[in-house]
Amino acid sequence: NAGVMQNPRHLVRRRGQEARLRCSPMKGHSHVYWYRQLPEEGLKFMVYLQKENIIDESGMPKERFSAEFPKEGPSILRIQQVVRGDSAAYFCASSNFRQTGNQPQHFGDGTRLSIL
Amino acid sequence: GQQLNQSPQSMFIQEGEDVSMNCTSSSIFNTWLWYKQDPGEGPVLLIALYKAGELTSNGRLTAQFGITRKDSFLNISASIPSDVGIYFCAGPRNAGGTSYGKLTFGQGTILTVHP
Repeated sequence: NAGVMQNPRHLVRRRGQEARLRCSPMKGHSHVYWYRQLPEEGLKFMVYLQKENIIDESGMPKERFSAEFPKEGPSILRIQQVVRGDSAAYFCASSNFRQTGNQPQHFGDGTRLSIL
Repeated sequence: GQQLNQSPQSMFIQEGEDVSMNCTSSSIFNTWLWYKQDPGEGPVLLIALYKAGELTSNGRLTAQFGITRKDSFLNISASIPSDVGIYFCAGPRNAGGTSYGKLTFGQGTILTVHP
C-alpha cells in the first residue's frame, strides 16, 4: 500500500460531531476514489474525484457526506453530524488513468471511524 | 446493479495445501482484479486480468478470466501461514460501455491456514 496515505488511521467521534478523513494519492495520480467497508463485507464505492471535480458520487449518501479534492492538498471525505451507522473503515484509492484496465487502483490503509 | 458473488465464504486449510476460490457475476466484466486484505490494512492488488480466457500467475498465485466474462477463479498453491487474510475479487463498473475505475467488490473469502 506504499504511496496512498490516509490519516488519521483511527478516528473516534461522538454522535453529532463531524469527521474529516484525508487521503493523499500516490505521486502523479490525479484520480481518487473513496470506498466504505463495513465489518465482514467487501468495499463499497462512494465517490470518484479528479482534481477540483467530482466525477461520480453515486455511492455517497445524499445527506451529511461530502468529498473534495482541491487543486492543492489531499482529498477530504467529510461526514457531518455522525451517527452510529457511520462506523466503518473508509478507504481511499488512486490511479492516473481513467480506465482501471490500464492502471489498477492502489489503496491506502484506511481510516477506521468509530462513533460513540 | 452489478454484483459479484464469491465462494467459499471461508476456508480452513493446512499449510502446504492448495486453495481455490471463485467469483461469479450475472453481468459481464471486462476486467477482473484479485486483492488480498490483511487485518487493519487496505486491499493489495494480487493479479489483474484483462482478456477473456486469460490465465495469469504471480508466484504461487494463478488466476483466470472466464470465457463468458462472468466469472474468475484464484488458485493458491502450497499455502503458507502468511497467505492468511481476506481475498476479494473486483471489477470496474461499466459507464456508457466504457470500463473505468469505479470498482465493484465481492464479499470476500476468508482464508485461514493452520501450520
